Amino acid sequence: GIQVEQSPPDLILQEGANSTLRCNFSDSVNNLQWFHQNPWGQLINLFYIPSGTKQNGRLSATTVATERYSLLYISSSQTTDSGVYFCAVNFGNEKLTFGTGTRLTIIP
Amino acid sequence: KAGVTQTPRYLIKTRGQQVTLSCSPISGHRSVSWYQQTPGQGLQFLFEYFSETQRNKGNFPGRFSGRQFSNSRSEMNVSTLELGDSALYLCASSLRRSDERAFFGQGTRLTVV
Repeated sequence: GIQVEQSPPDLILQEGANSTLRCNFSDSVNNLQWFHQNPWGQLINLFYIPSGTKQNGRLSATTVATERYSLLYISSSQTTDSGVYFCAVNFGNEKLTFGTGTRLTIIP
Repeated sequence: KAGVTQTPRYLIKTRGQQVTLSCSPISGHRSVSWYQQTPGQGLQFLFEYFSETQRNKGNFPGRFSGRQFSNSRSEMNVSTLELGDSALYLCASSLRRSDERAFFGQGTRLTVV
């Protein structure tokens, strides 16, 4: 099956800093999504981005499908950005395969 | 539009018991998937239902089962609970296909004692 790796596993930043999270995947996919898991456990869908670049406020994401990676950028971090960020991929009607996540901690 | 609703939010069960979890997808969504999240194994796919039919199944024992009703609401059942079944169970809904944008509920946190 598809392998999904995320880096770094942990990231601690001061409020106001910028960060880049990376997601590498081992095979062709036609779907890549980024999620933020909040402290209560809910996965919030940030981006559906099989290719190209999208922006939503302080967050943006870029997927280069031909090189099998995606990046999530967070600018001007706030404490509410803390949590675990997951990327997930699939192909066709197969299951979503999740990466192991990046735990982001924003210090005031 | 209401989001994905999972009930109950928390459950404590004893080993050997069985449990049923419920998921109501976003209105109009017909694909419902279930995932188990544990600290050791991460997020693992259980099964996916579409139009009352199981379309995909993950690598879990037969104690884990599910179904989907005509209104797209889904339930999953775990029989003969084991301590290792303690986890956060998450449900996701998408419009038709599992490669479309997925929206998750708040999850059911199951503790088996």
